[in-house]
Order: sequence, then structure tokens, then C-alpha cells
Amino acid sequence: QSVLTQPPSASGTPGQRVTLSCSGGISNIGSNNVFWYVQLPGAAPKLIIYKTDHRSPGVPDRFSGSKSGTSASLAISGLQSEDEADFYCAAWDDSLSGPVFGGGTKLTVL
Amino acid sequence: EVQLVQSGAEVKKPGESLKISCEGSGYSFPNYWIAWVRQVPGKGLEWMGIIYPGDSDTTYSPSFEGQVTISADKSITTAYLQWSSLKASDTAIYFCTRRSDYYGTAAFDYWGQGTLVTVSS
Repeated sequence: QSVLTQPPSASGTPGQRVTLSCSGGISNIGSNNVFWYVQLPGAAPKLIIYKTDHRSPGVPDRFSGSKSGTSASLAISGLQSEDEADFYCAAWDDSLSGPVFGGGTKLTVL
Repeated sequence: EVQLVQSGAEVKKPGESLKISCEGSGYSFPNYWIAWVRQVPGKGLEWMGIIYPGDSDTTYSPSFEGQVTISADKSITTAYLQWSSLKASDTAIYFCTRRSDYYGTAAFDYWGQGTLVTVSS
């Protein structure tokens, strides 16, 4: 059971906008920045959003992050087939004194 | 170029010990925290612990405290994750990753390729 809660799956068609959600609590998302990682099959995770709404270098502006209270979102506009991957949210947890991850959302491009 | 290169896949029996490694290069190894993250095949990411190679300051996730030992040798820019007695439930891919304080407290900007540990009798 992950500390942060993500829906296990999401889908969209090419060109569509999809939003992935991440729910946490006061000690993590509610008090700290959110980070998003993407993981392709057989590869290591890659940081795409840091400090809630900042894109990592090289990440297209189709990707955007936001937060409200104890929930966060990753929006992907102009969905492309290469966006099909697993997406994980993360945040520092003050109670744990360490980072916590969501269980991941598998994004399928139909 | 920043790189984290991990040791190769391991197949072990329950009760055996194991130490896997993560060699950093292309940056000032002592000055960046290195974390270990577990991923059971088909499952999510779990933070195990983190070490600052400069002074070996280490913090463990409560879920892994006492189950593993994290260490580092800054003289050879290598971090380690070890078990004294493996269990079948330790079967997973283990990633080392560098934390970027510039990007934030849960920002891991470079990752090793992962080490698959299989524990089976």
C-alpha cells in the first residue's frame, strides 16, 4: 500500500488531454512539493516534473504539474503514442523524514 | 556525463547474504545524497533509504530499517546495499539514484540501470 494514491490506469487517444491524479496527506503533498516520474518498460524512472510545476530540462511543455491541498495532478496535452508509460508521483513526507511514492498510473494511448 | 552504474543481476537462496553496488561518476560523488529504491516486478517504487557519501550520514525508511544496510565508500565513489539474510520477498529490482537538492527534496535526477535480485530456493 503506497502512501500516495494514484489510479492504477488511465487512457486517452492521440491529441487528447489527460490528467493523472495523486492523492496524499498533510505530511507529504499538503506540506511539500510534488515530483513526477515516468518509467518506460525495462527502464529506470525519469524525473519529468520537480517542485510541483517545474518541467525538467528537455521535457516538452505538453506536460504540466499542479497541486491543490493534499492532491496533485499531472496533465498531458496533445497525447502522443510515446507517452504510453507508467507515471509515478512523489513527495517528501515530514512524518517519515523521507520521500514517498505513489503506486503508479499506467497510461495507455489508444 | 553523470552516470550511476550498478552491479549485475544476482540469484541467491533464502538465508544467503548479498551486497550490491552503485558506482557514480561524472560529478562530485561525496556531495550528493544517494538513495536506494525497490521495485517488485510489476509494482511501484519504494524508497528504502538514503546516504550522504561525504560523511556516510544515513536514513532508512521504517519499512526497511534493520532489514538492509546502506553504505558508501567515497574514495571509490561507490554506494552499497546489503542484506545479511535474504528472503524470497526480497526478490525485486533495486535502483540507486542521486538526489538533486537543486530540484528538491524528492527529486532524483540520475538513476542506475537497476539490479535484479532473485531469491529462490
